[in-house]
Amino acid sequence: NAGVTQTPKFQVLKTGQSMTLQCAQDMNHEYMSWYRQDPGMGLRLIHYSVGAGITDQGEVPNGYNVSRSTTEDFPLRLLSAAPSQTSVYFCASRQGVVGNTIYFGEGSWLTVV
Amino acid sequence: GEDVEQSLFLSVREGDSSVINCTYTDSSSTYLYWYKQEPGAGLQLLTYIFSNMDMKQDQRLTVLLNKKDKHLSLRIADTQTGDSAIYFCAESIGPGGATNKLIFGTGTLLAVQP
Repeated sequence: NAGVTQTPKFQVLKTGQSMTLQCAQDMNHEYMSWYRQDPGMGLRLIHYSVGAGITDQGEVPNGYNVSRSTTEDFPLRLLSAAPSQTSVYFCASRQGVVGNTIYFGEGSWLTVV
Repeated sequence: GEDVEQSLFLSVREGDSSVINCTYTDSSSTYLYWYKQEPGAGLQLLTYIFSNMDMKQDQRLTVLLNKKDKHLSLRIADTQTGDSAIYFCAESIGPGGATNKLIFGTGTLLAVQP
């Protein structure tokens, strides 16, 4: 049982490049989400999914796409990276009911130059 | 609007109690959470409280909720140097169920002096 696994842990991108942050969980959780963490801003929700085939926007979705073709995987795509997307990204998952433990990945440190 | 506020920094001596405070604005919060983030690591769920509770105790941790004032606190008894980390308060927004989203505070850096 690996929990929530994010890759890569570190990445440097040039402005305009695209990339995908991978997130996988092996706990059969329905709910998965992506957050970004910026200094003084706390964690902000980018996109979330309540099950395979279902995704929705969070607070800061612009510049990001997601898909949920399987229960296990929830990749986050940066379409055309911008310096404003320099951040630490966290993937999280939980079983459906609110109040259940939420499991976070270890984070992906992304720098856009 | 949805907003969660925390003080940015708290310094205590080893063995003392730490109290980290949080205020939130949305009265429809169903659950409130405390997370711990150690340097270079992800977020670890410490504890949570349902909105109809006033207090929850879990070993060295005590959570107090004042729903009228929308104030949440985390007390760590006998604080140790290993407790040094950033602590995030979060509220769950929505009517309940899988679609609820979490709104996080900015985090409080707890520094424990030996």
